Amino acid sequence: GESVGLHLPTLSVQEGDNSIINCAYSNSASDYFIWYKQESGKGPQFIIDIRSNMDKRQGQRVTVLLNKTVKHLSLQIAATQPGDSAVYFCAENYSGNTPLVFGKGTRLSVIA
Amino acid sequence: GAVVSQHPSRVICKSGTSVKIECRSLDFQATTMFWYRQFPKQSLMLMATSNEGSKATYEQGVEKDKFLINHASLTLSTLTVTSAHPEDSSFYICAHFSGNTIYFGEGSWLTVV
Repeated sequence: GESVGLHLPTLSVQEGDNSIINCAYSNSASDYFIWYKQESGKGPQFIIDIRSNMDKRQGQRVTVLLNKTVKHLSLQIAATQPGDSAVYFCAENYSGNTPLVFGKGTRLSVIA
Repeated sequence: GAVVSQHPSRVICKSGTSVKIECRSLDFQATTMFWYRQFPKQSLMLMATSNEGSKATYEQGVEKDKFLINHASLTLSTLTVTSAHPEDSSFYICAHFSGNTIYFGEGSWLTVV
């Protein structure tokens, strides 16, 4: 079946730099995308979402970009902090009340 | 906002025993609950969709007789891991849609020894 995937399994960045985590999705019918952060031993924590009628959405220090043409999603974290170290998952959804499909995850390590 | 309460957060059980995990919707009626499993260093994988008052829908490769799902009321969905084996050790988490938002339970860490 169609699935969501990630280009980079690990990412190391210097504290204060910007981080970019990428995600490719294959289901063209998906109309809702979410980024989650998961710290060790905890469940996924919602970061930001975007719907398919948008190509950019900004939150606090985070920006999600959606490129429907190439089916690509990215999460940008500005001024990365040690507390941002975690595994980040993208997830996709379509047709409302259907389950989320998660990508494989990218581990972000922030170097102080 | 909607809250999903999951219990227990951690459980250790002996091989061959059964373990029940509960997810309660605290301030809304959950007609559907999604159950995910996450093995170490892997992503969350959908196991089954729990529907109130009817049989759960299981994903391919998930044994319905081993992972029993009950959704007898609008506020409670349970996942029972029967005859647990060490390879069932994993993180189990439920999720529910409310409006256009997805809410996760806190998750349950199962260790089978």
